[in-house]
Amino acid sequence: AQSVTQLDSHVSVSEGTPVLLRCNYSSSYSPSLFWYVQHPNKGLQLLLKYTSAATLVKGINGFEAEFKKSETSFHLTKPSAHMSDAAEYFCVVSDESGANSKLTFGKGITLSVRP
Amino acid sequence: NAGVMQNPRHLVRRRGQEARLRCSPMKGHSHVYWYRQLPEEGLKFMVYLQKENIIDESGMPKERFSAEFPKEGPSILRIQQVVRGDSAAYFCASSPWGQFIQETQYFGPGTRLLVL
Repeated sequence: AQSVTQLDSHVSVSEGTPVLLRCNYSSSYSPSLFWYVQHPNKGLQLLLKYTSAATLVKGINGFEAEFKKSETSFHLTKPSAHMSDAAEYFCVVSDESGANSKLTFGKGITLSVRP
Repeated sequence: NAGVMQNPRHLVRRRGQEARLRCSPMKGHSHVYWYRQLPEEGLKFMVYLQKENIIDESGMPKERFSAEFPKEGPSILRIQQVVRGDSAAYFCASSPWGQFIQETQYFGPGTRLLVL
C-alpha cells in the first residue's frame, strides 16, 4: 500500500524568500505524485503532478517539484514566496496497486508567509 | 465550464439526524470520489463511484454511511444517525476516465458538516 509522509506540519518563511515543502512517499509500484493547495475554507487546487515523464515538474504560481526515486522524495519548491502562497499544501500519491486512481494524502503542511 | 459543485457548503445537524451531501461532477466526468477531512488531518478516501456503480468503498465506515451516483442527477453521500465524530469537511472529486493513475482528480469546494 502507498503512503505519504510530510514531516513538517508548519513552515514559516518571509515574503521573497525561497519555499521548501518536503514530501516522502512509499509505493510498491511506479507512482504518480501530486501537490494540491488548499486555501482556508476552499477546495483543493492542483499545483502540479508527476507521471513518470520529466523528473522536474513545473506547476502553477511558480511552484515546481523534483521526483527523486533514490530518495523516494517529491519536495515542492518556489524561489520567492508571496503572501498569497499562505495555505495548506498536500502531497498526494496514486499508484497502480488498485483498479482505480484512489489518492492517498499526506497530513498537509501549513505555509505561513511573513511580510 | 463549471467545476465540481457541492452543496450545501455548510450543514449543521443534531446528533441522530441524517445528513445528505450532494456532488455534481465536472461536465463530461463520469467518475466521482468522496474524501473526508478531519480537523488537522489530510483527506482520507471514502468511496469511488461510476454512474450506477460503486467501484471501491474500502474507505467507507461500515455503518451509517452510504453513497450513490445515479444515472441522472448528482452523487449523494448519506450519513444516517450522525454523531459528533462525523463533523468534518467532505470533499468530492471527479475525473473523466477513472482508470488511469496519471489522471487528475478535480475537487469541489467541500461540504463542512457540523454535528451538534
